[in-house]
Amino acid sequence: KAGVTQTPRYLIKTRGQQVTLSCSPISGHRSVSWYQQTPGQGLQFLFEYFSETQRNKGNFPGRFSGRQFSNSRSEMNVSTLELGDSALYLCASSQGGTGGNSPLHFGNGTRLTVT
Amino acid sequence: QKEVEQNSGPLSVPEGAIASLNCTYSDRGSQSFFWYRQYSGKSPELIMSIYSNGDKEDGRFTAQLNKASQYVSLLIRDSQPSDSATYLCAVGFLGTASKLTFGTGTRLQVTL
Repeated sequence: KAGVTQTPRYLIKTRGQQVTLSCSPISGHRSVSWYQQTPGQGLQFLFEYFSETQRNKGNFPGRFSGRQFSNSRSEMNVSTLELGDSALYLCASSQGGTGGNSPLHFGNGTRLTVT
Repeated sequence: QKEVEQNSGPLSVPEGAIASLNCTYSDRGSQSFFWYRQYSGKSPELIMSIYSNGDKEDGRFTAQLNKASQYVSLLIRDSQPSDSATYLCAVGFLGTASKLTFGTGTRLQVTL
């Protein structure tokens, strides 16, 4: 089975621009979650989508948004980029059950640098 | 106070020894507990999951959970140089399985 695929792997943007990141989950997985990883804060939950609906949301400003398509693929958008948005953005997929037996499988991430 | 705390390390152990990684969490209602391994420049990879008090073994790895003490640990037996990585502890709730709170990780170095 193919793993979680994220594109692009690297992005360089300037402050004020917006960016869209893409994630294709493992086949059969209906849940896609997004995390931000920085050296200082570690991994922080952004949001989760399940069946095209946002199911959970972390404590990030409204500049961070996402969506999920009918084929479970997901996109994340960050508008009005700030220097502090520079991070590794990780997408994770799971089967989506609300029980604990649906662990997350992470993609290789998109490294975003804001200059 | 951080919600999930780990010693950042590095934790250095000789090859063949047992590595013990510890994690404490603040939310007493937490229900699911995970250990992820992350190599430098790579994404996190699930090592173990544990949901009830006690030990869970998988090969060279043993996860231990003590909900009363709000403590979860990972033991790696017969440590190998390939085990050198950052180990992330993650905690969640069964109803929101994808919304995990991660510790900042413990860097493990296995020396020859």
